[in-house]
Amino acid sequence: QQPVQSPQAVILREGEDAVINCSSSKALYSVHWYRQKHGEAPVFLMILLKGGEQMRHEKISASFNEKKQQSSLYLTASQLSYSGTYFCGTEIIPGTYKYIFGTGTRLKVLA
Amino acid sequence: DAGVIQSPRHEVTEMGQEVTLRCKPISGHNSLFWYRQTMMRGLELLIYFNNNVPIDDSGMPEDRFSAKMPNASFSTLKIQPSEPRDSAVYFCASSDLHIDTQYFGPGTRLTVL
Repeated sequence: QQPVQSPQAVILREGEDAVINCSSSKALYSVHWYRQKHGEAPVFLMILLKGGEQMRHEKISASFNEKKQQSSLYLTASQLSYSGTYFCGTEIIPGTYKYIFGTGTRLKVLA
Repeated sequence: DAGVIQSPRHEVTEMGQEVTLRCKPISGHNSLFWYRQTMMRGLELLIYFNNNVPIDDSGMPEDRFSAKMPNASFSTLKIQPSEPRDSAVYFCASSDLHIDTQYFGPGTRLTVL
């Protein structure tokens, strides 16, 4: 039931791009994306709703493919501050606010 | 706003002892969530409240775990008796029902020896 994220880990150089995928075995109604830095709490990045358009947060954007039951996070021109673990949270029963978090993707941006 | 406040930040206890974790949500938020994070299982939802009422506690691992929200500004998660496998970081998060963004507290790192 837990969404599967890929890749599990990625290392980038500053300025490079990356894509993180979140796949669910169940139908999705909304998807949250969070970033967690080591030893800190997860911080909300953006939410995507069923039927909604692509969202953006600075140079990070995300899309939601209902048919594929998948969401993707696009990090463009990565910065050192992007380092952390990215989680997707999926709402599988609409209106319940019950989010199941994905397996996480560890991102490291090098100078 | 001070954000979500959790206490204690760190707790070390011995197996069999009772542990109480505390959370103060952001003022005005009407949903509160308790999560547990471990390396093996990731971030797991334990229980959540809407308007102080427990809505879904299916994530609570066992009867040893209990949570209360006596009012809109305070919630507790209790483990009695604690076991070493309960060692984890416990996060509390709150949100406004109509906005949906969850704001996480700094977490409580629990170690059960």
